[in-house]
Amino acid sequence: GEDVEQSLFLSVREGDSSVINCTYTDSSSTYLYWYKQEPGAGLQLLTYIFSNMDMKQDQRLTVLLNKKDKHLSLRIADTQTGDSAIYFCAESITGGFKTIFGAGTRLFVKA
Amino acid sequence: DVKVTQSSRYLVKRTGEKVFLECVQDMDHENMFWYRQDPGLGLRLIYFSYDVKMKEKGDIPEGYSVSREKKERFSLILESASTNQTSMYLCASSLSQGGTGELFFGEGSRLTVL
Repeated sequence: GEDVEQSLFLSVREGDSSVINCTYTDSSSTYLYWYKQEPGAGLQLLTYIFSNMDMKQDQRLTVLLNKKDKHLSLRIADTQTGDSAIYFCAESITGGFKTIFGAGTRLFVKA
Repeated sequence: DVKVTQSSRYLVKRTGEKVFLECVQDMDHENMFWYRQDPGLGLRLIYFSYDVKMKEKGDIPEGYSVSREKKERFSLILESASTNQTSMYLCASSLSQGGTGELFFGEGSRLTVL
């Protein structure tokens, strides 16, 4: 069945790069997403990548997609304390209404 | 600014009580969703609706029901709350066609069942 897996915690120092990894199982995914959840808030879309792309860059964010290995990563350059949050990897299954979420990676940024 | 509003941020209920969680969106989205979020489990889909009066079961519908009488409003109902329904509940909406499938979330309703 469909599954999205990601590690639960990541700790980095302020100014370093953060890399959050995710694996997914469904090769028919159309879009893959990274959502961010700040404390006490709902999720907000951070960025997404279409399944026929390998890379997408948006300011400090770089998304890499390895479709062969079903691996998605999010790199945050120059990580700031304001980046501390939970990051969810998600995939949208082609033709359906379902978005499958990973368990979320809690990013801690040490000053 | 697009908005999904959940009526209650925090609720405390007793076992066996009936619980209503309300969600309103102002984006004219066709699709609306209810998820529950638990630590280490991520988001799990309870129910979704793609049109007024239409509803579909998600992955964990047991113990829940939903109502969508108007396009902008999607309600989650716990007929008889149990302690294992203590959780964060998130409502979301999305466009039916022409978009990227982005989900717009409310801020969540944290329910504690005693």
